[in-house]
Amino acid sequence: SAVISQKPSRDICQRGTSLTIQCQVDSQVTMMFWYRQQPGQSLTLIATANQGSEATYESGFVIDKFPISRPNLTFSTLTVSNMSPEDSSIYLCSGELGVSEQFFGPGTRLTVL
Amino acid sequence: QKEVEQDPGPLSVPEGAIVSLNCTYSNSAFQYFMWYRQYSRKGPELLMYTYSSGNKEDGRFTAQVDKSSKYISLFIRDSQPSDSATYLCAMGGSSASKIIFGSGTRLSIRP
Repeated sequence: SAVISQKPSRDICQRGTSLTIQCQVDSQVTMMFWYRQQPGQSLTLIATANQGSEATYESGFVIDKFPISRPNLTFSTLTVSNMSPEDSSIYLCSGELGVSEQFFGPGTRLTVL
Repeated sequence: QKEVEQDPGPLSVPEGAIVSLNCTYSNSAFQYFMWYRQYSRKGPELLMYTYSSGNKEDGRFTAQVDKSSKYISLFIRDSQPSDSATYLCAMGGSSASKIIFGSGTRLSIRP
């Protein structure tokens, strides 16, 4: 298994500002993923982050709004840009050890006022 | 039709009961089948990971995959109040790393 940490665990932000969420994995993983989860709902994939290449975004998510960095095999960041209240959600990162075998971080709970 | 269907519950059973959680899917390309447990305000925890059809047992948990019926199950024996959580099924193909999640079933075990 893998241990994944995220920072911050929660934040309250003002409309129009940006927040960068950090994700650290305790082992090297080729693929990392960023998800969004509304309370009581399932997970929605935002993007897939490979080390050394541009992130791949899912339909409805764009790089200008959710820029992602993946500087090495154990770390990634997701920035939520120009936030609005609709961006209030839980943001989760995961790392993949085996095919489709993903381990998740504890999540970042974001509230935008 | 969603690729993965899961009854959202809530499901409430007495302590010690056998719990059965299920998902159906439509994409025959899925080869990897997972069950995640998610406690309130926590990230999903990988509980069971299986490849192709068959059964896998881990302690009180048994995962079953029936690819011919496109149906997967998670059984919890001797359920405990600490098993109260949301259980999410998830599936992936052999070459794509993207996995598809079910909507999750909220389970409550009554002492």
